[in-house]
Amino acid sequence: DAGVIQSPRHEVTEMGQEVTLRCKPISGHDYLFWYRQTMMRGLELLIYFNNNVPIDDSGMPEDRFSAKMPNASFSTLKIQPSEPRDSAVYFCASSLVRTEAFFGQGTRLTVV
Amino acid sequence: GEDVEQSLFLSVREGDSSVINCTYTDSSSTYLYWYKQEPGAGLQLLTYIFSNMDMKQDQRLTVLLNKKDKHLSLRIADTQTGDSAIYFCAEIEGAQKLVFGQGTRLTINP
Repeated sequence: DAGVIQSPRHEVTEMGQEVTLRCKPISGHDYLFWYRQTMMRGLELLIYFNNNVPIDDSGMPEDRFSAKMPNASFSTLKIQPSEPRDSAVYFCASSLVRTEAFFGQGTRLTVV
Repeated sequence: GEDVEQSLFLSVREGDSSVINCTYTDSSSTYLYWYKQEPGAGLQLLTYIFSNMDMKQDQRLTVLLNKKDKHLSLRIADTQTGDSAIYFCAEIEGAQKLVFGQGTRLTINP
């Protein structure tokens, strides 16, 4: 397996634009997580899914953020409209229950 | 919510031992993890410990767990330049909610 695959690796967008981040988890994993990493706030859990169902979205900052998992092999994190304070590295991770989480390489988002 | 706390920075000399500390708050956590993040990369699992263990050793790595004080530490023996990274401790809350500390940036001095 190629591991958790995220795209794009880098995204630069203008304030107000819609941004979509994509994640392909490891095949067979039934948990998927979205994290955001910034210097100020460290690594924050935004949302996680179990068997494609959102379990806890309490970390999603505001209504501008939404996440979907239409099937077991794909998830998206969307920001609409984007703002400069959304600039961060966004990580996707997947796991089986009670085992380690495997992380993707991250998407570095810059909103100008 | 529960918090996982770590000091932000640690600087050691090459060849010395590094000890990175972490405190957690969820006493029901069954697994505790140490992850390593190198520049520009995602997090990779270094090691983990079950909550019913006090210590785990894996080559140069030693994990100590004090459940009474909810304190976790990672010791790296004979620290090398390749150990420079950010180290995160993490606990599982509930079934699988993985919560991370802020990360400790380890710097190696020659």
